[in-house]
Order: sequence, then structure tokens, then C-alpha cells
Amino acid sequence: SQTIHQWPATLVQPVGSPLSLECTVEGTSNPNLYWYRQAAGRGLQLLFYSVGIGQISSEVPQNLSASRPQDRQFILSSKKLLLSDSGFYLCAWSKGPLLGYEQYFGPGTRLTVT
Amino acid sequence: SQQGEEDPQALSIQEGENATMNCSYKTSINNLQWYRQNSGRGLVHLILIRSNEREKHSGRLRVTLDTSKKSSSLLITASRAADTASYFCATVALNNAGNMLTFGGGTRLMVKP
Repeated sequence: SQTIHQWPATLVQPVGSPLSLECTVEGTSNPNLYWYRQAAGRGLQLLFYSVGIGQISSEVPQNLSASRPQDRQFILSSKKLLLSDSGFYLCAWSKGPLLGYEQYFGPGTRLTVT
Repeated sequence: SQQGEEDPQALSIQEGENATMNCSYKTSINNLQWYRQNSGRGLVHLILIRSNEREKHSGRLRVTLDTSKKSSSLLITASRAADTASYFCATVALNNAGNMLTFGGGTRLMVKP
């Protein structure tokens, strides 16, 4: 069966510090991968998605970047965090490349920028 | 940008009652999905309904889709305290290169025992 891991679960970082969040998927190959951010009490905003190794698409201009160094690894990074980067970050995967598949979410990372 | 908008934003009912949540969207879709999120956790997929389907059932869940009105509803019958969670609709637009989901703001459901 497929599983998706995210770490760390929680993170408190000062403004201006770097960020690296990691997501890995097991039990499937060539998945579509996604990074979302969720503000408190709100819906999810898609940040990045990837349909293959080294292929990253950004949905919103921001202070963050994403990379996919391996088929089942997706990393969210920032060189210098802003207060507005605080939120709940969720990684997800789906079968690709066709439409019509559900997404499977990781447990999320709670990021607080102080 | 959020395409789906849920209504109501919050709903409080007694155990055993039915809960109905509505979702409206703006553009043509390939499919619409409903997800559940317990507080502080990841999302769990509940049900997917394709644009050529009008109704779908899964256990105590019933989803309808009206593409002419660009709306969907999720009905949870005989609710339980364990159904307390936030529920989100999400759409997959036509010509979507990455099977991306566009989420609404969610409905927070509280089921009182």
C-alpha cells in the first residue's frame, strides 16, 4: 500500500532563517506531487506541483521554492522566511498524469515563523 | 485562487441528524471531490464525482452534482460525533495539466453527542 510521509511535524523558525520541508511517498512510482499551504480556518492554497523529476510548476508568486530530486521525494524550501510564511503545509500525491484521481495527503507540517 | 465556495461555513447538529453541505464553483470541471480534515491533520479523500455523473453514494455519504448550476452537495446521514471535522470540496478543471485541485474554504461541522 502507498504511504506519504512529511517531516518535521512542527517547526518554529525565526524570520530570515532558511526552511526545508521534506515529503516522501512509498509504494507507488511516478506520482504527481503537490505542496499546499493552509491558513488557520481556511481552505488549501496550491503552492507547487510536479509531474516528474525536476519538473516543478508554481501556482503563486512567493518566497518559497520546491524541488523534486527523486521520483518520490518533494522538498519545499525558502532561503529567508517571512512572518507571512507561517501556516500548515501539506504534501499530497496522486496517480499521474491523467485527470480523475483523488489526492492522498500527508499529516502536514505546522510552521510558525517568529 | 479558490474556485469552490462551501456553504455554510459552520454547521452544528445533534448526533443522528443529517448534515448537508453545499459547494459552488465557477469554471467547467472534469470532476469534483470532497475531502474531510480533522483538526490539525491531513485531508482524507471521501468521494469523487465526475462531470457526467449526477449522484454518488458511499456508505452514509451522498454527493450530488449539478453542472448547469455549477454546484454540488454533500449529505451525511445519521451523523455521529466522530463526523465532527471540516469538509472541503475541490474541483479539477478541464484541460488541467497536473490533476490539480482547487479547494473551497470548507464547512466546519460539529456533531454534538
